[in-house]
Amino acid sequence: QSVLTQPPSVSEAPRQRVTISCSGSSSNIGNSAVSWYQQLPGKAPKLLIYYDDLLPSGVSDRFSGSKSGTSASLAISGLQSEDEADYYCATWDDSLNGPVFGGGTKLTVL
Amino acid sequence: QITLKESGPTLVKPTQTLTLTCTFSGFSLSTSGVGVGWIRQPPGKALEWLALIYWNDDKRYSPSLKSRLTITKDTSKNQVVLTMTNMDPVDTATYYCAHMTIVTTILFYFDYWGQGALVTVSS
Repeated sequence: QSVLTQPPSVSEAPRQRVTISCSGSSSNIGNSAVSWYQQLPGKAPKLLIYYDDLLPSGVSDRFSGSKSGTSASLAISGLQSEDEADYYCATWDDSLNGPVFGGGTKLTVL
Repeated sequence: QITLKESGPTLVKPTQTLTLTCTFSGFSLSTSGVGVGWIRQPPGKALEWLALIYWNDDKRYSPSLKSRLTITKDTSKNQVVLTMTNMDPVDTATYYCAHMTIVTTILFYFDYWGQGALVTVSS
């Protein structure tokens, strides 16, 4: 059971927009920057968002991140079939004195 | 271009010690603001952070596994080694190493990942 709570799954139709939430506490999201990772089936995770809302070079601007208080969100607009993947949030946890990952969310594009 | 690759045994027996090596290129682990972390993922399950080492040799371990883990670096060889003692079947997972960019403790991200190494624990 992760200290960061994500919905196990979300689904949406192509070309629509979906958001994935990541809920934490004052010892993690409330005090540290959040990053998001995309893991395609059978592949290593890939950085999608860092410092809450910044996109690494080469990542599509269909992806966006936000944070408010002790929760963060990843939004994906203009959904495509290739977006089907597992998505993880991560941040630093003061209580654990290390990084923590969310439980992951499986995105299905209907 | 930053690359990382994990290497080690694919099969270990219960109670044995696992030694994994992360060999990297494209950066130096003596550069300020750089770190390497180990993360694992049991089949069908979520990512779990294990350990990390900073450019200044500072180290952090997952509290739940701290007694079993050791992380070291060899800057001259561009390698980071993770050892995990007393392996159990529940430790069966894909083990990843990842490059960390660190501004402060609370401002970090894993921006480059190795391909992962599947380790099975079975007698």
